[in-house]
Amino acid sequence: ILNVEQSPQSLHVQEGDSTNFTCSFPSSNFYALHWYRWETAKSPEALFVMTLNGDEKKKGRISATLNTKEGYSYLYIKGSQPEDSATYLCAPYSGNTPLVFGKGTRLSVIA
Amino acid sequence: ETGVTQTPRHLVMGMTNKKSLKCEQHLGHNAMYWYKQSAKKPLELMFVYSLEERVENNSVPSRFSPECPNSSHLFLHLHTLQPEDSALYLCASSQDRQGAADTQYFGPGTRLTVL
Repeated sequence: ILNVEQSPQSLHVQEGDSTNFTCSFPSSNFYALHWYRWETAKSPEALFVMTLNGDEKKKGRISATLNTKEGYSYLYIKGSQPEDSATYLCAPYSGNTPLVFGKGTRLSVIA
Repeated sequence: ETGVTQTPRHLVMGMTNKKSLKCEQHLGHNAMYWYKQSAKKPLELMFVYSLEERVENNSVPSRFSPECPNSSHLFLHLHTLQPEDSALYLCASSQDRQGAADTQYFGPGTRLTVL
């Protein structure tokens, strides 16, 4: 079973602040890393799927980077807005098991 | 709206009851999943179906019984549950179970309370 760590567990930022959090995973047998956003009372929503070392993906004010050699990914949010408040989940895929989700980082953006 | 619907959204049942959760996907996907989200725990995979065949059973107790009659529908039949089974049950689908880059699309979940 993959060991997936996300840090911090929770984060409170002011509106307009930029922030980032981390997903750590075993670097061996890596195939892909998924990021999801899960707002309260809604379904988890896919943000990115990343496969290549050094990959960087962007969606509006949210971006993510991937380091497969050392086994981590960063998610960045630039100029946080209240609507960014959600739990951000990462899930690595090793090729021989289904996705394994981390516990998530709970982000609260205060207006 | 993700294209994956779940019913009911909330369910309260006694330990001796039998109930079923239903999931339907309108995305033409080949794989469907059941996940369990307990308080302060990560999403836990329960079952995976690919082309209507169960391909993963993640050591789930037999009081949970999945059924996939076709590629668009997935059920989770519940019987003699325990209070610790109270959780949010999420259904998801993806184009292909084997695809590493396949995004999973989640339903809104069923909040289950076992008394």
